[in-house]
Amino acid sequence: NAGVTQTPKFQVLKTGQSMTLQCAQDMNHEYMSWYRQDPGMGLRLIHYSVGAGITDQGEVPNGYNVSRSTTEDFPLRLLSAAPSQTSVYFCASSYSSVLEVTEAFFGQGTRLTVV
Amino acid sequence: AQSVSQHNHHVILSEAASLELGCNYSYGGTVNLFWYVQYPGQHLQLLLKYFSGDPLVKGIKGFEAEFIKSKFSFNLRKPSVQWSDTAEYFCAVNTGTASKLTFGTGTRLQVTL
Repeated sequence: NAGVTQTPKFQVLKTGQSMTLQCAQDMNHEYMSWYRQDPGMGLRLIHYSVGAGITDQGEVPNGYNVSRSTTEDFPLRLLSAAPSQTSVYFCASSYSSVLEVTEAFFGQGTRLTVV
Repeated sequence: AQSVSQHNHHVILSEAASLELGCNYSYGGTVNLFWYVQYPGQHLQLLLKYFSGDPLVKGIKGFEAEFIKSKFSFNLRKPSVQWSDTAEYFCAVNTGTASKLTFGTGTRLQVTL
């Protein structure tokens, strides 16, 4: 199993450009999430999904869109990049269980710089 | 909404010293608690988790954490740190679905030889 795979690893965008950060998992997890990590602020939830076709907003959703057409993929779209979106982005997935607390598995991250 | 506080932002220890990192959360109901570690340039990895039962949980690499409900705390401990423990440590909570974690701001641990 590859786990959670994010592409690209690094990206530089110009202000106003759009792009999609890709996230794929091969563990058949229902839950997937996107976080951004900024110095001194920990990780903050952008959007999450509890299954194919179901998404919802997290703490910092503005400027980002998501969709979940398959269980495996959960892309994050930046509509019009701004310097404030310079960050490291992590995708995570987890399975649901009524018997135990499930952990989130994280991808390697995408370091995005908006100039 | 729940929040998580990590009071130690940067900790410097010598090898073999004992470690305790503080984590407090604000939520009155049932919570699931986690400690994640991020080694330089890498993704987050789970150290340990708690949701019920014995409040003292043991994780990987000799780490343990104690849940004290009355203090809303979930402090991370290790009796003797190693240079390889140099990393950033994040406390996190969720109150339901595993897809929604609330993280603390992280503690950067530097272990010197």
